Amino acid sequence: QITLKESGPTLVKPKQTLTLTCTFSGFSLRTSGEGVGWIRQPPGKALEWLALIYWDDDKRYSPSLKGRLTITKDTSKNQVVLTMANMDPVDAASYYCAYWGVQTGGALPTSWGQGTLLTVSS
Amino acid sequence: DIQMTQSPSTLSASVGDRVTITCRASQTISSWLAWYQQKPGKAPKLLIYKASTLESGVPSRFSGGGSGTEFTLTISSLQPDDFATYHCQQYNTYPLTFGGGTKVEIK
Repeated sequence: QITLKESGPTLVKPKQTLTLTCTFSGFSLRTSGEGVGWIRQPPGKALEWLALIYWDDDKRYSPSLKGRLTITKDTSKNQVVLTMANMDPVDAASYYCAYWGVQTGGALPTSWGQGTLLTVSS
Repeated sequence: DIQMTQSPSTLSASVGDRVTITCRASQTISSWLAWYQQKPGKAPKLLIYKASTLESGVPSRFSGGGSGTEFTLTISSLQPDDFATYHCQQYNTYPLTFGGGTKVEIK
Protein backbone atom coordinates (compact mmCIF):
# COMPACT_ATOMS: atom_id res chain seq x y z
CA GLN A 1 0.00 0.00 0.00
CA ILE A 2 1.36 3.39 -1.01
CA THR A 3 1.19 6.15 1.59
CA LEU A 4 2.62 9.66 1.68
CA LYS A 5 2.61 12.20 4.48
CA GLU A 6 3.57 15.85 4.40
CA SER A 7 5.28 17.57 7.32
CA GLY A 8 6.45 21.09 7.93
CA PRO A 9 5.43 24.35 9.56
CA THR A 10 1.82 25.49 9.67
CA LEU A 11 2.83 29.15 9.80
CA VAL A 12 5.64 31.04 8.10
CA LYS A 13 6.39 34.76 7.93
CA PRO A 14 6.57 36.71 4.66
CA LYS A 15 10.00 36.56 3.00
CA GLN A 16 10.92 33.38 4.89
CA THR A 17 11.83 30.10 3.17
CA LEU A 18 9.39 27.21 3.51
CA THR A 19 10.66 23.65 3.83
CA LEU A 20 8.20 20.78 3.42
CA THR A 21 9.04 17.10 3.75
CA CYS A 22 7.16 14.22 2.15
CA THR A 23 7.76 10.86 3.83
CA PHE A 24 6.52 7.92 1.82
CA SER A 25 6.13 4.15 2.01
CA GLY A 26 5.04 1.39 -0.32
CA PHE A 27 7.54 2.33 -3.02
CA SER A 28 11.23 3.18 -3.15
CA LEU A 29 11.64 5.98 -5.74
CA ARG A 30 14.34 3.78 -7.25
CA THR A 31 12.09 2.12 -9.86
CA SER A 32 12.10 3.40 -13.40
CA GLY A 33 9.15 5.72 -13.95
CA GLU A 34 8.46 6.57 -10.33
CA GLY A 35 8.21 10.16 -9.22
CA VAL A 36 7.12 12.29 -6.27
CA GLY A 37 5.76 15.78 -6.71
CA TRP A 38 4.06 18.66 -4.96
CA ILE A 39 0.72 20.31 -5.63
CA ARG A 40 -0.97 23.10 -3.70
CA GLN A 41 -4.50 24.41 -3.34
CA PRO A 42 -5.38 27.81 -1.83
CA PRO A 43 -8.63 27.67 0.17
CA GLY A 44 -11.59 27.46 -2.21
CA LYS A 45 -9.36 27.64 -5.28
CA ALA A 46 -7.94 25.39 -7.97
CA LEU A 47 -5.12 22.89 -7.69
CA GLU A 48 -1.68 24.08 -8.84
CA TRP A 49 1.22 21.77 -9.69
CA LEU A 50 4.55 22.96 -8.26
CA ALA A 51 7.39 20.50 -8.77
CA LEU A 52 8.29 16.88 -9.50
CA ILE A 53 11.34 14.66 -9.05
CA TYR A 54 11.81 11.29 -10.74
CA TRP A 55 13.69 8.15 -9.70
CA ASP A 56 16.66 9.20 -11.85
CA ASP A 57 16.82 12.68 -10.25
CA ASP A 58 15.19 14.36 -13.25
CA LYS A 59 13.43 17.45 -11.88
CA ARG A 60 10.57 19.55 -13.23
CA TYR A 61 9.31 22.88 -11.91
CA SER A 62 6.36 25.13 -12.50
CA PRO A 63 7.72 28.00 -14.64
CA SER A 64 5.71 30.56 -12.68
CA LEU A 65 7.53 29.56 -9.47
CA LYS A 66 10.74 28.07 -10.81
CA GLY A 67 13.14 30.56 -9.29
CA ARG A 68 11.71 29.99 -5.84
CA LEU A 69 11.45 26.18 -5.76
CA THR A 70 13.94 23.41 -5.08
CA ILE A 71 13.01 19.74 -4.91
CA THR A 72 15.34 17.01 -3.66
CA LYS A 73 15.09 13.37 -2.66
CA ASP A 74 16.70 11.15 -0.05
CA THR A 75 15.89 7.58 -1.04
CA SER A 76 17.67 6.21 2.04
CA LYS A 77 15.06 7.97 4.19
CA ASN A 78 12.14 7.60 1.73
CA GLN A 79 11.74 11.35 1.70
CA VAL A 80 11.30 14.18 -0.80
CA VAL A 81 11.87 17.77 0.30
CA LEU A 82 10.45 20.93 -1.28
CA THR A 83 11.81 24.35 -0.42
CA MET A 84 10.07 27.55 -1.49
CA ALA A 85 11.86 30.84 -1.01
CA ASN A 86 10.53 34.32 -0.37
CA MET A 87 7.10 33.31 0.93
CA ASP A 88 4.15 35.67 0.49
CA PRO A 89 0.61 35.65 1.92
CA VAL A 90 -0.67 34.51 -1.52
CA ASP A 91 1.25 31.26 -0.96
CA ALA A 92 -1.13 30.26 1.82
CA ALA A 93 -2.61 26.93 0.77
CA SER A 94 -2.90 23.24 1.45
CA TYR A 95 0.26 21.59 0.15
CA TYR A 96 0.07 17.99 -1.05
CA CYS A 97 2.77 15.57 -2.03
CA ALA A 98 1.85 12.82 -4.44
CA TYR A 99 3.24 9.70 -6.08
CA TRP A 100 3.63 9.63 -9.85
CA GLY A 101 2.94 5.96 -10.44
CA VAL A 102 4.56 3.47 -12.74
CA GLN A 103 1.14 2.16 -13.75
CA THR A 104 0.66 5.40 -15.68
CA GLY A 105 4.25 5.65 -16.86
CA GLY A 106 5.07 8.23 -14.21
CA ALA A 107 2.93 10.73 -16.04
CA LEU A 108 0.51 11.90 -13.35
CA PRO A 109 -0.16 11.79 -9.60
CA THR A 110 -1.92 8.55 -8.69
CA SER A 111 -1.70 8.58 -4.88
CA TRP A 112 -1.78 11.68 -2.69
CA GLY A 113 -0.83 12.55 0.87
CA GLN A 114 -3.40 14.04 3.23
CA GLY A 115 -2.01 17.54 2.75
CA THR A 116 -0.73 20.19 5.14
CA LEU A 117 -2.33 23.62 5.55
CA LEU A 118 0.05 26.56 5.52
CA THR A 119 -0.60 30.13 6.65
CA VAL A 120 1.72 32.97 5.65
CA SER A 121 1.49 35.90 8.02
CA SER A 122 3.68 38.19 10.05
CA ASP B 1 0.74 26.93 -20.40
CA ILE B 2 -2.31 24.87 -21.37
CA GLN B 3 -5.45 26.30 -19.79
CA MET B 4 -8.10 23.85 -18.60
CA THR B 5 -11.68 25.11 -18.34
CA GLN B 6 -14.37 23.11 -16.56
CA SER B 7 -18.10 23.61 -16.81
CA PRO B 8 -20.28 24.00 -14.97
CA SER B 9 -18.53 25.29 -11.87
CA THR B 10 -21.41 24.05 -9.73
CA LEU B 11 -23.97 21.38 -10.51
CA SER B 12 -27.08 20.58 -8.43
CA ALA B 13 -28.39 17.06 -8.84
CA SER B 14 -30.35 14.32 -7.09
CA VAL B 15 -29.43 10.77 -6.20
CA GLY B 16 -29.96 8.62 -9.27
CA ASP B 17 -29.38 11.43 -11.77
CA ARG B 18 -27.02 11.09 -14.69
CA VAL B 19 -24.53 13.96 -14.60
CA THR B 20 -21.92 15.12 -17.06
CA ILE B 21 -19.04 17.50 -16.46
CA THR B 22 -17.08 19.05 -19.33
CA CYS B 23 -13.40 19.98 -19.45
CA ARG B 24 -11.87 21.92 -22.33
CA ALA B 25 -8.18 22.37 -23.06
CA SER B 26 -6.79 25.51 -24.67
CA GLN B 27 -4.81 23.32 -27.10
CA THR B 28 -4.86 19.70 -28.07
CA ILE B 29 -3.72 17.24 -25.40
CA SER B 30 -4.53 14.00 -27.23
CA SER B 31 -5.98 11.75 -24.50
CA TRP B 32 -3.62 12.84 -21.72
CA LEU B 33 -6.35 13.85 -19.31
CA ALA B 34 -7.18 12.74 -15.79
CA TRP B 35 -10.17 13.25 -13.51
CA TYR B 36 -10.01 13.49 -9.71
CA GLN B 37 -12.66 13.53 -7.00
CA GLN B 38 -12.10 15.66 -3.91
CA LYS B 39 -14.17 15.79 -0.74
CA PRO B 40 -13.96 18.66 1.77
CA GLY B 41 -10.75 18.62 3.78
CA LYS B 42 -9.39 15.64 1.85
CA ALA B 43 -6.85 15.07 -0.88
CA PRO B 44 -7.96 14.47 -4.45
CA LYS B 45 -8.48 10.87 -5.51
CA LEU B 46 -7.69 9.67 -9.03
CA LEU B 47 -10.78 8.39 -10.86
CA ILE B 48 -9.86 8.26 -14.54
CA TYR B 49 -6.68 8.67 -16.60
CA LYS B 50 -5.89 8.68 -20.30
CA ALA B 51 -9.31 10.28 -20.74
CA SER B 52 -11.29 7.06 -20.30
CA THR B 53 -9.31 4.49 -18.29
CA LEU B 54 -10.91 3.79 -14.92
CA GLU B 55 -8.47 3.66 -12.01
CA SER B 56 -8.55 0.37 -10.10
CA GLY B 57 -11.33 0.26 -7.51
CA VAL B 58 -13.36 3.13 -8.98
CA PRO B 59 -17.05 2.25 -9.49
CA SER B 60 -18.15 1.60 -13.05
CA ARG B 61 -20.82 4.33 -12.85
CA PHE B 62 -17.94 6.74 -13.56
CA SER B 63 -16.84 7.06 -17.16
CA GLY B 64 -14.69 9.44 -19.15
CA GLY B 65 -14.63 10.39 -22.79
CA GLY B 66 -13.22 12.75 -25.35
CA SER B 67 -9.91 13.53 -26.96
CA GLY B 68 -8.08 16.51 -28.37
CA THR B 69 -9.51 19.52 -26.56
CA GLU B 70 -12.90 18.44 -25.23
CA PHE B 71 -13.51 15.87 -22.52
CA THR B 72 -16.35 14.66 -20.32
CA LEU B 73 -16.78 12.92 -17.00
CA THR B 74 -20.12 11.16 -16.62
CA ILE B 75 -21.65 9.63 -13.51
CA SER B 76 -24.39 7.33 -14.76
CA SER B 77 -26.44 7.22 -11.54
CA LEU B 78 -25.38 9.67 -8.84
CA GLN B 79 -24.89 8.10 -5.41
CA PRO B 80 -24.74 9.86 -2.01
CA ASP B 81 -20.97 9.28 -1.85
CA ASP B 82 -20.48 11.12 -5.17
CA PHE B 83 -21.32 14.60 -3.87
CA ALA B 84 -17.88 16.19 -4.11
CA THR B 85 -15.73 18.44 -6.27
CA TYR B 86 -14.29 17.05 -9.50
CA HIS B 87 -11.08 18.28 -11.13
CA CYS B 88 -9.66 17.62 -14.57
CA GLN B 89 -5.90 17.72 -15.22
CA GLN B 90 -3.84 17.61 -18.40
CA TYR B 91 -0.53 15.80 -18.45
CA ASN B 92 0.35 16.22 -22.10
CA THR B 93 2.78 19.06 -21.47
CA TYR B 94 4.63 20.65 -18.56
CA PRO B 95 3.55 22.55 -16.59
CA LEU B 96 0.82 20.14 -15.58
CA THR B 97 -2.40 22.13 -15.22
CA PHE B 98 -5.78 21.62 -13.58
CA GLY B 99 -9.26 22.86 -14.27
CA GLY B 100 -11.03 25.10 -11.79
CA GLY B 101 -13.17 22.30 -10.41
CA THR B 102 -16.86 21.37 -10.55
CA LYS B 103 -18.77 21.06 -7.30
CA VAL B 104 -21.60 18.51 -7.42
CA GLU B 105 -24.21 19.48 -4.84
CA ILE B 106 -27.36 17.87 -3.55
CA LYS B 107 -30.45 19.34 -5.23
